[in-house]
Amino acid sequence: QVQLQESGPGLVKPSETLSLTCTVSGGSIRSYYWSWIRQPPGKGLDWIAYIYYSGITNYNPSLRSRVTILLDASKNQFSLELSSVTAADTAVYYCVRHGGMVRGGKDAFDIWGQGTTVIASS
Amino acid sequence: EIVLTQSPATLSLSPGERATLSCRASQSVSNYLAWYQQKPGQAPRLLIYDASNRATGIPARFSASGSGTDFTLTINSLEPEDFAVYYCQQHINWPLTFGQGTRLEIK
Repeated sequence: QVQLQESGPGLVKPSETLSLTCTVSGGSIRSYYWSWIRQPPGKGLDWIAYIYYSGITNYNPSLRSRVTILLDASKNQFSLELSSVTAADTAVYYCVRHGGMVRGGKDAFDIWGQGTTVIASS
Repeated sequence: EIVLTQSPATLSLSPGERATLSCRASQSVSNYLAWYQQKPGQAPRLLIYDASNRATGIPARFSASGSGTDFTLTINSLEPEDFAVYYCQQHINWPLTFGQGTRLEIK
């Protein structure tokens, strides 16, 4: 079965760039949409961005100016870069899978990574 | 951006009772609505997609209905493991958005 695993630094200094990687195991990264979602401490869930294996991307307008999402099919990985972080970016970051090309990614998030905590602090 | 409003914020019930959770969208999402369960320290788990379809492995005591702007998640005969936070999410418009959650707690 498909599993997702986030990796990356747990601590990022303010104004620096947060970089996370999601490794997909048990299945191919092809033919699906992949997203990053975050959850600040004690708060709800926010969708950040998606990427399709063909390279199609979409970003939440609230973060678009600071976010880049990339995919490396040869490694079965996709990644997130968030620049100029502040304390407000402290959150648990989840990588998730959602649908295929049929609905253009407009599907529920059916597979989640366990999440990785990132703290933005000096 | 579509805003999802969940009610109540907190629901206090006893095991064996029925839970009814609501989600209202600021504009129609047709049937493009999902429900998730999240327990402390865990990632959310997909329960329902397309408003009324149970995800793989989800017990039959979980059911959901609705279309357009008003949706309901029902949990029949609550089990101890059902006490958690529940989120609705629309997957028709970008950015995809979530409700603020309903906390289901043991009375």
